[in-house]
Order: sequence, then structure tokens, then C-alpha cells
Amino acid sequence: EPEVTQTPSHQVTQMGQEVILRCVPISNHLYFYWYRQILGQKVEFLVSFYNNEISEKSEIFDDQFSVERPDGSNFTLKIRSTKLEDSAMYFCASSERLAGGGGELFFGEGSRLTVL
Amino acid sequence: EDQVTQSPEALRLQEGESSSLNCSYTVSGLRGLFWYRQDPGKGPEFLFTLYSAGEEKEKERLKATLTKKESFLHITAPKPEDSATYLCAVGGGSTLGRLYFGRGTQLTVWP
Repeated sequence: EPEVTQTPSHQVTQMGQEVILRCVPISNHLYFYWYRQILGQKVEFLVSFYNNEISEKSEIFDDQFSVERPDGSNFTLKIRSTKLEDSAMYFCASSERLAGGGGELFFGEGSRLTVL
Repeated sequence: EDQVTQSPEALRLQEGESSSLNCSYTVSGLRGLFWYRQDPGKGPEFLFTLYSAGEEKEKERLKATLTKKESFLHITAPKPEDSATYLCAVGGGSTLGRLYFGRGTQLTVWP
């Protein structure tokens, strides 16, 4: 069964360092997303991406964050200068149709980011 | 402003004891209500999509229903392996690129 894969599963970094989280979405999906979940809290939307550009981003997704699809299979989230409050589980997801338009999201297992 | 509210926060059931989880939403122009299962330390696993009031979906011991203001996830004769956090999410309103998630209901089924 097709699945979304994410690497690394866990990353520990020092405050101020750059982090890149990687994802391989399901191959025939067109829409890609990053969500995050701070321990014990809701799953929160960060950004959606379609046709090589951001289609929507949340207020959390500030200038410290960027996304890229460097080739035909990978989708990355970069955090330029990590802060303590960036510590969370980051989930990549993909869908055939746009999420808010009724498309079903399929999530990866997550990358746990710990900022010290 | 909370678009999705789930209740109860936690639910403990004995194996075989049926119950329901609630998800109420306030988004206008609903374009989909989604149920996910999340195991500890894992990503949400898709269960159901409901699009319009009156719609029902079933999968094994789970049945999801939708009204104009809320959705229910009914669990019939649960087993310990059904223990997980069940998340509700909605798509709609003025945005197309995001889902709004509730905090989830943590279900524990004991033998």
C-alpha cells in the first residue's frame, strides 16, 4: 500500500541551527502539506504546496520556514534558525485533491524535532 | 476561534462496551469532515470522509455519521486494539489548503 515516508524520525538540534525535514509523498498525489503537533496539543496546519508553489500557509509559517520540492519525489521543510518553541512532531501529508476541498490527506509517521 | 471541538477528551471502555465519540464543528461551507486514528508517536491514519449531512460510513467496528453541526464516531463492541486517539478534522470556510483538527478523544479499551 502506498505511503508517505519521512526522514529523519528524530532530530535533536541546538537553538539557532538550520534543520531540513524530508518527505516522500505518495507518487500520484498532487498536493503536499506540512503539519505539526506540539506534545499534547492539536495537529496544526503549516503549509500546503501545489504545482511547485505554496498554495496556502498559516500564521505559524513565518520567514524562518520554507518548503521545496527539489526533484520529482522529495518534499522538504526547512527551518532556518530553530527556536525552542519549534520542538514538535512534524508531519508531512499528501492528497490527490486539495484538503479544504474535500481531499483526503495521508500522513507520514512524523519527524520529531527537539531543539535544545 | 475553535472550528472543531471533540468530546469527551478521554474515554475508557471495557472490551465489548459500545460508545460514541463526538465532534462538533463551526466551519461554514463544510467541504469534508475527516476522522483519523492516531497511535502514540505516530502519524494520523485516515479512517473516513463525510461530505454531507445524513451520510454514514462504516469500517469494521467503527461507524461515522454526520449532521449539520456535528459528527459521531460510534464504536461497537470495541477491542483493546481499538485503543488510540481519534481525531476529527474539517475542511471548508474561506480556505482550501488546510484542515482544522480537534484535540482528539483518547480511547482506552481494557480487556
